[in-house]
Amino acid sequence: DQQVKQNSPSLSVQEGRISILNCDYTNSMFDYFLWYKKYPAEGPTFLISISSIKDKNEDGRFTVFLNKSAKHLSLHIVPSQPGDSAVYFCAASARGTGNQFYFGTGTSLTVIP
Amino acid sequence: GAVVSQHPSRVICKSGTSVKIECRSLDFQATTMFWYRQFPKQSLMLMATSNEGSKATYEQGVEKDKFLINHASLTLSTLTVTSAHPEDSSFYICSAVGETGYNSPLHFGNGTRLTVT
Repeated sequence: DQQVKQNSPSLSVQEGRISILNCDYTNSMFDYFLWYKKYPAEGPTFLISISSIKDKNEDGRFTVFLNKSAKHLSLHIVPSQPGDSAVYFCAASARGTGNQFYFGTGTSLTVIP
Repeated sequence: GAVVSQHPSRVICKSGTSVKIECRSLDFQATTMFWYRQFPKQSLMLMATSNEGSKATYEQGVEKDKFLINHASLTLSTLTVTSAHPEDSSFYICSAVGETGYNSPLHFGNGTRLTVT
C-alpha cells in the first residue's frame, strides 16, 4: 500500500522556468515531509523539509508547500537549471514511528537548456 | 552536512557467494540506520531498520536470514547478502539518522550496485 504517491513519473521544463513537482499522501498521521534529489547510481541527497506546523518552507531556489487538508505537498524550483535534472523523491514520516520514512516513487525532472 | 559513506559502490559476485556492504556515518553518530533496495524505475523499498546494539527490524517479506544486518557501533552498519542469487541483483542504499530527536532528515550513502552472475 503506497502511502506516499508521486503520480507524475517524469517532467520536462525549459531552463529558467518553474518546475513544480507534486506529491500526495494518504496517512493523516504524517507530520514531517522531505524532498530528496537523486542522480543515477548515487544515493538520494536531502533537499528541503517541512513540518506539519508550516505550510511553506523556502531555501534558495527551492520552496516546499504543504496543504494538509488535501494531503498534498509540492516542490517548486525556480528558476530551473540543467543541473536540476534528476529524480526527485518526496518522503513522509509520522511521530512515534521510529524515524521510519515512506517514499514516493519519484519524478524524473529534465531541465532543457 | 552529514556524510554517510557506503562501500563498495559496485560489486559483482557469483551465485551462491556472500557479499558484505558497509555503511558508515563519518561525522555523526547514527543511532538508527536504514537499508533500502531500489529496483529500476521504482521507489526506495525499506528492507530493515537497525539500531545500534540491537537486532534489526525487518520489513514484511524481507528474509532476515538472507539479508544479515549488523549495527555494531554508532558509526557502522553492515548488510550481508548471503548465498546471493541473480534475483538479488539490485541497488542497495543505506541511510542514517544522527539526532535522536524527531524531525531529523535521513542522510543517505551513495548506494551499492550488486550484480549476481
